[in-house]
Amino acid sequence: QSVLTQPPSASGTPGQRVTISCSGSSSNIGSNYVYWYQQLPGTAPKLLIYKNNQRPSGVPDRLSGSRSGTSASLAISGLRSEDEADYYCAAWDDSLSAMVFGGGTKLIVL
Amino acid sequence: QVQLEESGPGLVKPSETLSLTCSVSGGSLSSGSFYWSWIRQPAGKGLEWIGRIYTIGSTNYNPSLKSRVTMSVDTSTNQFSLKLSSVTAADTAVYYCAAPGDYYDSNGYPLDAFDIWGQGTMVTVSS
Repeated sequence: QSVLTQPPSASGTPGQRVTISCSGSSSNIGSNYVYWYQQLPGTAPKLLIYKNNQRPSGVPDRLSGSRSGTSASLAISGLRSEDEADYYCAAWDDSLSAMVFGGGTKLIVL
Repeated sequence: QVQLEESGPGLVKPSETLSLTCSVSGGSLSSGSFYWSWIRQPAGKGLEWIGRIYTIGSTNYNPSLKSRVTMSVDTSTNQFSLKLSSVTAADTAVYYCAAPGDYYDSNGYPLDAFDIWGQGTMVTVSS
């Protein structure tokens, strides 16, 4: 059972906009920055979003992050086949003094 | 550009100690990222943060693993290490070493944005 809750799967067709949610609590998302990672099969995770909504260099602007209260979301617009991957949210948890991850969401591009 | 590479035994017997090393290249461990982390992923499951070690040697460990984890840094070899004792089958996973990129908060403190990852190393616990 992950500290941060994500839907196990999400799907969309090419060109659509998809949103992946991440629910936490006041000790993690509610008081610390949220990060998002993309993991393609057999590879290490890649940082997509940091500081709730900032994109590292090279991450396209069709990906965006937001945070409201104790929840966060990752939105992907103009969905492409190469977006099919697992997505993880993460945040520092003050109660645990640990980094916590969501259980991951498998994004399927139909 | 800093790169990380994990190394260590791929098979560990139950009740023994898992030992992994992460080699840092393309930069100095003592002058690069503020801290260095270990993260693992059982097959078909999500990511689990194991802990981190600061360049100066202080550590933070996941409370669920704290009693069994030891991390260390060796600046002379540009490596940092993970030891996990009393392993069971539940510790079978891909183990990644990771480090934050050049992202800072308003106070100049590095953010927990893991931008640098090793390729991962599979460790199986089995007799």
